[in-house]
Amino acid sequence: DSGVTQTPKHLITATGQRVTLRCSPRSGDLSVYWYQQSLDQGLQFLIHYYNGEERAKGNILERFSAQQFPDLHSELNLSSLELGDSALYFCASRLAQNTGELFFGEGSRLTVL
Amino acid sequence: GDSVTQMEGPVTLSEEAFLTINCTYTATGYPSLFWYVQYPGEGLQLLLKATKADDKGSNKGFEATYRKETTSFHLEKGSVQVSDSAVYFCALLNYGGATNKLIFGTGTLLAVQP
Repeated sequence: DSGVTQTPKHLITATGQRVTLRCSPRSGDLSVYWYQQSLDQGLQFLIHYYNGEERAKGNILERFSAQQFPDLHSELNLSSLELGDSALYFCASRLAQNTGELFFGEGSRLTVL
Repeated sequence: GDSVTQMEGPVTLSEEAFLTINCTYTATGYPSLFWYVQYPGEGLQLLLKATKADDKGSNKGFEATYRKETTSFHLEKGSVQVSDSAVYFCALLNYGGATNKLIFGTGTLLAVQP
């Protein structure tokens, strides 16, 4: 158990819908990262938050957004869903902004029908 | 930009066989290198790491040596077990940027048969 909790574990929805994925980092970790894992793209970095502030964006679509709340949990919002958004979404956390091991959650599997 | 290339799978081995999964990287400066493992239905777990040239990371019988001259970080294990069946990801982290994000290879599926 990495200490990173992601909900829901599985989600099935239809095209055009909107979903929210939630991540609770390890206790005390200030950095949260979101990654998307799909069959054709592999593991892609989406976005990084540190202590509530966005630090960097990767290959994140404009239809996607995220935030980190004062209690340090994070949410990834995916809207106007398309079939190609079906993937496993991972959250990872670590204590510091720039150093230290990343601990991954078990992921949220999104299926868009 | 920085990138990681690892051998495509699946790699299918018999129990007690020798394992090598190749990984090469492209990066400026002196990145740290990692191997992560993803067991079925689980998230990624750090398997081992090396932070500078000629360092050897090791864990659970797996080893990898950071070779700057060949920009490689190949994963090896002398005798695999069925329980090693998983997807293995090579990754690099180049310190100095604002986010220091991990850059992953595409993953290699290892299937070990009894």
